[in-house]
Amino acid sequence: DAGVTQSPTHLIKTRGQQVTLRCSPKSGHDTVSWYQQALGQGPQFIFQYYEEEERQRGNFPDRFSGHQFPNYSSELNVNALLLGDSALYLCASSFGPVGLNTGELFFGEGSRLTVL
Amino acid sequence: AQKITQTQPGMFVQEKEAVTLDCTYDTSDPSYGLFWYKQPSSGEMIFLIYQGSYDQQNATEGRYSLNFQKARKSANLVISASQLGDSAMYFCAMREANNAGNMLTFGGGTRLMVKP
Repeated sequence: DAGVTQSPTHLIKTRGQQVTLRCSPKSGHDTVSWYQQALGQGPQFIFQYYEEEERQRGNFPDRFSGHQFPNYSSELNVNALLLGDSALYLCASSFGPVGLNTGELFFGEGSRLTVL
Repeated sequence: AQKITQTQPGMFVQEKEAVTLDCTYDTSDPSYGLFWYKQPSSGEMIFLIYQGSYDQQNATEGRYSLNFQKARKSANLVISASQLGDSAMYFCAMREANNAGNMLTFGGGTRLMVKP
């Protein structure tokens, strides 16, 4: 049973470029969330997708956008890259927008983005 | 104000001994959930343990237990019988009812190093 898979694992971009990161949720999961983790810090919530719609968003600018496909996989797009966008981008999946009574939220190994 | 505070940037523990990782939180929401994740160098966030704000008993999962002191707003993780493979970053996180879904707020993490 495959867990959450993300691609690419590493990538290097230059300032001003655009990047697309991809995530396949764990089998049976239909909800995907994205987090940004800067070096030495805890992850920060970017947004959540459920039923192909953005359901919740953290404090990130519109340069960060996403998409969810009918097969529940998801993409994170970042436009006009800044040096400060260098981070590990983590995808998490669950079955449904998870309520409070469970810890069923699984993370992938992340995509490490370096912006030069 | 920080919602999740982990005051120990790094900790050493001798193999086979127990260790406590501290976490304090701040919320005015009466309904919330507290999580601990382990992040090895691979980057994946591995779920360890969950405690709901209305749970009467402290959560336990194998060698992991959560020392939940609601009045003090603390949720410390206790790892018993430390193993070399426990060396990793540990993150405390919270999900509040008014932000239901997968939005977790993470602390800055504690790096645990287990000595042989």
